[in-house]
Amino acid sequence: GAVVSQHPSWVICKSGTSVKIECRSLDFQATTMFWYRQFPKQSLMLMATSNEGSKATYEQGVEKDKFLINHASLTLSTLTVTSAHPEDSSFYICSARGGTSGRYFSYEQYFGPGTRLTVT
Amino acid sequence: KNEVEQSPQNLTAQEGEFITINCSYSVGISALHWLQQHPGGGIVSLFMLSSGKKKHGRLIATINIQEKHSSLHITASHPRDSAVYICAVSNAREYGNKLVFGAGTILRVKS
Repeated sequence: GAVVSQHPSWVICKSGTSVKIECRSLDFQATTMFWYRQFPKQSLMLMATSNEGSKATYEQGVEKDKFLINHASLTLSTLTVTSAHPEDSSFYICSARGGTSGRYFSYEQYFGPGTRLTVT
Repeated sequence: KNEVEQSPQNLTAQEGEFITINCSYSVGISALHWLQQHPGGGIVSLFMLSSGKKKHGRLIATINIQEKHSSLHITASHPRDSAVYICAVSNAREYGNKLVFGAGTILRVKS
């Protein structure tokens, strides 16, 4: 079964509004969560890495004020797209890593099912 | 040159065929990952390996560390195997926690 969930799975919003996407690790404590963005027919592009309790590390070219990341607990990270514009429309995927409980390994990244954002 | 190269880019097979997807990398790695992405977009981690061979059902993944090469094999392919298969590598020393992705192989299995 899925070990990382994302909510919502898809969202349509109007230009200028903000959208929050949640990423939850279901069976383990994720010390690190990653946020990716994927354009059609392209590979995943890492946006930022977040460690629980500390500020996210953003990749070059990703606006930290535009894409707010909060990793407040070991099972939840959120990505907020602020003042969304049509060019922010994309598929956003999170992954979680960390913990050595049971069958989950610290080097493995477990991916969420993704969130499709459409900004009109 | 990309650090992770996959071949082929596109692959069409008949149901039942044996399929091989290749991945070559140019850097030292901690682990290599094979991921599957279905048309709906969700990604499933198929394998993580750092040596040898792993098998799960009809899927087999091998890695040759000396040659910096990995293969993903699908036996008795089925239309439901149609997906994008992505190879990714990790190296804690070089990239920290990040994965470096290949461009993906689009597999279509026809019935």
